[in-house]
Amino acid sequence: QSALTQPRSVSGSPGQSVTISCTGTSSDVGGYNYVSWYQQYPGKVPKVMIYDVSKRPSGVPDRFSGSKSGNTASLTISGLQAEDEADYYCNSYAGNYVWVFGGGTKLTVL
Amino acid sequence: QLQLQESGPGLAKPSETLSLTCTVSGDSISTSYSYLGWIRQPPGKGLEWVGFIYYSGGTYYNPSLKSRVTISVDTSKNQFSLNLSSMTAADTGVYYCSRMVTGNNWFDPWGQGILVTVSS
Repeated sequence: QSALTQPRSVSGSPGQSVTISCTGTSSDVGGYNYVSWYQQYPGKVPKVMIYDVSKRPSGVPDRFSGSKSGNTASLTISGLQAEDEADYYCNSYAGNYVWVFGGGTKLTVL
Repeated sequence: QLQLQESGPGLAKPSETLSLTCTVSGDSISTSYSYLGWIRQPPGKGLEWVGFIYYSGGTYYNPSLKSRVTISVDTSKNQFSLNLSSMTAADTGVYYCSRMVTGNNWFDPWGQGILVTVSS
């Protein structure tokens, strides 16, 4: 099972919007609506920001949104804030009780 | 509120078997209707799903690690464990235990993680 493909880094200025992509195959991202996104600060535990492609857990700002088209899922952060600078990982169900993560994207707020 | 705490050795020798334990508090494993599992992260790298055990005993492993991984549960102690055999330096990293509630499709909560270094 190969890791999902994410850009290694993205950047944006405060107030702007950024989108992080997560590309898989029809066997994982494209085959199920079970994509989640995690935010991880250096040395800290990952935190779920989006689940089931586009749902937000309670407490997550509505600046975070998710979507999917074909084999690619996306996380969009609008109204970028300094506190959004972190690593972001996507995760998808891949069938047969197997789960796969993306390689991670470092978001820099300029 | 459910909390998870990893424990085990921070250092392992090549070819040895790593044994880690995750202690669950705030809920009983035996009635949790959850998948309990492990996720690891090599230094400076991304997350990798290692595997799950269902609260009632079924196990599911990352195909790339399947031949070396065993996850078990001890409901009497409210703990679950990871055994990873034939360790190499590539297995060095932070190991997190986590939960996925049946019907939910995300990992939450996570333990604080335990750093395991494989070195002779």
